[in-house]
Amino acid sequence: AQTVTQSQPEMSVQEAETVTLSCTYDTSENNYYLFWYKQPPSRQMILVIRQEAYKQQNATENRFSVNFQKAAKSFSLKISDSQLGDTAMYFCAFMKIGTNAGKSTFGDGTTLTVKP
Amino acid sequence: SQTIHQWPATLVQPVGSPLSLECTVEGTSNPNLYWYRQAAGRGLQLLFYSVGIGQISSEVPQNLSASRPQDRQFILSSKKLLLSDSGFYLCAWSVGGLRVYGYTFGSGTRLTVV
Repeated sequence: AQTVTQSQPEMSVQEAETVTLSCTYDTSENNYYLFWYKQPPSRQMILVIRQEAYKQQNATENRFSVNFQKAAKSFSLKISDSQLGDTAMYFCAFMKIGTNAGKSTFGDGTTLTVKP
Repeated sequence: SQTIHQWPATLVQPVGSPLSLECTVEGTSNPNLYWYRQAAGRGLQLLFYSVGIGQISSEVPQNLSASRPQDRQFILSSKKLLLSDSGFYLCAWSVGGLRVYGYTFGSGTRLTVV
């Protein structure tokens, strides 16, 4: 079974600065996807970014980028130029490719507060 | 475009009462469907998933059940609620097959069992 660990329960950052959220995972699989989801105070879960394990290039989506270290089983999220609207709980998730119907394993989340 | 609807948004139910939460998806066919539960300030626990009509897989043994009577409809039920069933319930869908784009979530149901 896969496990996903987010070791930072809470973090804060000043507006316009950069913050990095950590995620590590444990798996014996070679082909999988990793995701970061955002859950703002409204509790609507939104996909932020995804990474395919067989791609070495780190994924980027505007101000969001990841640092994917497959050998270390690490998948951190960097948010640049933080905005007040980035305040949310962020979840790292793992999904195995194959016949498991797309089931995902989620970490316990990191609550990020962006301060003005 | 694809949309997902989940209702009700909030529900307060007494212990021992029945439960029915509904989720429907529009704009796609044969989606994979999921029910997750989120405890306060915690991550998501997968409860049920479905890859097709009438096909339900349970991840956690409990007094909840799920059904998929139509391709784009997913229902979470209970005959008798327990206090421990309180939580935030999320429905999600993903593309079926080997294509992987992640989940699209419904807006969630906050269930309080009293």
